[in-house]
Parts: sequence; C-alpha cells; structure tokens
Amino acid sequence: QKEVEQNSGPLSVPEGAIASLNCTYSDRGSQSFFWYRQYSGKSPELIMFIYSNGDKEDGRFTAQLNKASQYVSLLIRDSQPSDSATYLCAVKDRDDKIIFGKGTRLHILP
Amino acid sequence: GAGVSQSPRYKVAKRGQDVALRCDPISGHVSLFWYQQALGQGPEFLTYFQNEAQLDKSGLPSDRFFAERPEGSVSTLKIQRTQQEDSAVYLCASSPLSNEQFFGPGTRLTVL
Repeated sequence: QKEVEQNSGPLSVPEGAIASLNCTYSDRGSQSFFWYRQYSGKSPELIMFIYSNGDKEDGRFTAQLNKASQYVSLLIRDSQPSDSATYLCAVKDRDDKIIFGKGTRLHILP
Repeated sequence: GAGVSQSPRYKVAKRGQDVALRCDPISGHVSLFWYQQALGQGPEFLTYFQNEAQLDKSGLPSDRFFAERPEGSVSTLKIQRTQQEDSAVYLCASSPLSNEQFFGPGTRLTVL
C-alpha cells in the first residue's frame, strides 16, 4: 500500500526561527511532491511543489527533495505566528493519484 | 475569478438517508477530484474525473458512494444509506492540466 508518512506533531517553533517539516513516501515511482497548508476548519492551500532532486525556494519557504531516500522536507524561515497550521505533504504516484499524509501541526510561539 | 465552490457547506443526515454533495469547479478546469477528510487526518482520495470521464474511482469506500460529472463541469457526490462512519469533510478540488489542485471549502457531513 502506497503511503506518505509525516510526524503528527505538534511541532513548536519560536517566532523568527526556522521550522523544519519532514515527509517520507513509499512509492519509488512518484514524480511530483507537494506541500499544502491547512488552517483549522479551512481547506488545504498549495504552498510549494517540487519535481526534481534538490532545493526549491519561494520566499520564506524552501522545499527539499531526495528521491534516493524517498524524503521531502519543507523549511519555513523567519517563522511567523500566521504560519501556525497543519502542513500536509502530498505525493503524486505513478498512477497520477495524489496521496496525502496525515499532516504535521505546526505551532509558532510568539 | 471565482474559486471552487461546494454546497451545502454543512449537512446533517439521519443514518440511512441519502445525501448529494455538489462541487462547482473553476471554469475551464479539466480535472476534478473528490477527497474525504476525517478529523485529524489528511484528505483521502475518493475519485477523479477528467472532463466527464471518471478515470479513477478506486478510493470510493463502498458501492454506496457514487460520483458523476455528466457535462464535464459540475460534479455531484452521492452517498446512499448513510452510515455514521461517513461523517467527515468532503473536499472537492479542480485542476487545469497541470499538477496544481485548487480546493473548495468542503462540505461537513454529520450522520446521526
């Protein structure tokens, strides 16, 4: 069974620090990787997507992909209280189905 | 422009009742997805349409669940003879022919 694994948290990070969120996936044939942010009671919104090994940066966010280790991460620099949310890792498998992890709850401490 | 809309936003059903959940995707989006999200869990894939064709329905949990998108735009997810375990938020997402999915606000279904 194809799986996407995340630590459920909560992960508590002081305001201004770097938050590091991690995700592993089981299907080695996966091609596309996504990070979504979900506020309580709201629907997921896409933050980043990455296809190639290495880093992809967008503002305060950096997505990192290591296909050999089947590992994706999201770094949030200069964390703000508004970053407090659940972060969902999602993987598009070889069948084009997008599989979500259970999410990591992030709490930025003011 | 308008995003993905879903209706109703909240639905309370008695066990055994049939329900129909509607999704209006972003205009022109070819792909449409339905997900079920239980409390504290990530969205679970239910089914996927490309235009009017249902390409994957492997995530539908039982034959009580049925989805359609007859004209390649609006989609309806129908659940027959609802059970308590069907209580969840049902999310619809649409996508152009790319990877990015845009989610609607969801329908929270509570089965008593």
